[in-house]
Amino acid sequence: NAGVTQTPKFQVLKTGQSMTLQCAQDMNHNSMYWYRQDPGMGLRLIYYSASEGTTDKGEVPNGYNVSRLNKREFSLRLESAAPSQTSVYFCAGTSSSSYNEQFFGPGTRLTVL
Amino acid sequence: GENVEQHPSTLSVQEGDSAVIKCTYSDSASNYFPWYKQELGKRPQLIIDIRSNVGEKKDQRIAVTLNKTAKHFSLHITETQPEDSAVYFCAASGVSNYQLIWGAGTKLIIKP
Repeated sequence: NAGVTQTPKFQVLKTGQSMTLQCAQDMNHNSMYWYRQDPGMGLRLIYYSASEGTTDKGEVPNGYNVSRLNKREFSLRLESAAPSQTSVYFCAGTSSSSYNEQFFGPGTRLTVL
Repeated sequence: GENVEQHPSTLSVQEGDSAVIKCTYSDSASNYFPWYKQELGKRPQLIIDIRSNVGEKKDQRIAVTLNKTAKHFSLHITETQPEDSAVYFCAASGVSNYQLIWGAGTKLIIKP
């Protein structure tokens, strides 16, 4: 059981470049989430997917898009990276539609120059 | 809008002493309150949670108390140990059934 996995672990981009952060889970999670965590800050929700086939904006969705490819995979895309998007990105999943533990991936550390 | 305030931002305690972190939430409809621990460079992990039909929950050295009237909840760690050093986050369920509203975190330092 790998849990929640994320790729890549580290990435450096130049301003204007695009990239996709990948997240996959083998825990049969219905709901999945993308957060960003800036240095010394808390977690801010970017997008979430309550169930396969649905996605919704969170607190800070501007500059990002997501795809819930299937129940296992939830990707986050930066179309035109900006220095303000330098952050650590965490994917998380939860197994129930009611409130329950969110299991986090190991994170992707992204630097935009 | 929905908001969770967490205090203090940094807490330094002597090893063996107790630590208390407090959170206040704004949405009276919130009914789920988890606490996560994040060690340096690692992912957040759930350490304890409480639902609104319970006033207190304990798990060994960790306890959480909830006061729904005052809309605040607290994390209590007793007999602190060096491995308790980390950042602790509180959260509260939001209007959407799938979202958590997070506090800004408390850096807990255990002094030897």
